[in-house]
Amino acid sequence: EAGVTQFPSHSVIEKGQTVTLRCDPISGHDNLYWYRRVMGKEIKFLLHFVKESKQDESGMPNNRFLAERTGGTYSTLKVQPAELEDSGVYFCASSRTSRGEAFFGQGTRLTVV
Amino acid sequence: AQKITQTQPGMFVQEKEAVTLDCTYDTSDPSYGLFWYKQPSSGEMIFLIYQGSYDQQNATEGRYSLNFQKARKSANLVISASQLGDSAMYFCAMREGGDNQGGKLIFGQGTELSVKP
Repeated sequence: EAGVTQFPSHSVIEKGQTVTLRCDPISGHDNLYWYRRVMGKEIKFLLHFVKESKQDESGMPNNRFLAERTGGTYSTLKVQPAELEDSGVYFCASSRTSRGEAFFGQGTRLTVV
Repeated sequence: AQKITQTQPGMFVQEKEAVTLDCTYDTSDPSYGLFWYKQPSSGEMIFLIYQGSYDQQNATEGRYSLNFQKARKSANLVISASQLGDSAMYFCAMREGGDNQGGKLIFGQGTELSVKP
């Protein structure tokens, strides 16, 4: 069984540009989560999908962040326009149920210069 | 408000010795779960161990055990017989329970463990 896959593993972009991160959850996992770790700080929840629906987006920092999960399979997280403070590692996790173990991807390291 | 605290930014341990990584939590929800994840230098988050708030016994998974002290709201991770490959960042996390909860995790700041040969 393939694990959670995130693409790209690294991204360096200039301030003001757009970046799209992708997450492929484990097949059959309805729950998909996005988290972010800004340098030196704890990992913070961004949002939660159940299939294609946003269950909880209370952690999204502002309207420059847009997450989608069309068809309830893979998810994308777009940052537009990117700012310096968006730099960090973005993790995706999936689980079969909301009470089950969450499996994480390897993360995308985003650097905004 | 729910919170996870890891007070040890960095820890050193000699190979083959045991080490305890501290974690305290704060929640008003009687139903919750506690997790430990390992993040090696390669970046992925690896699930290690889980403890439910109603579990009567401390969780164990191989060399990992969770010292769950509910009254003190602590969930320390004990790694026995440390190996060089245990060197990594370790995160404690909590999920508040209840069927209407979404399952999001709240993380501590992490502890960087270094195992010395």
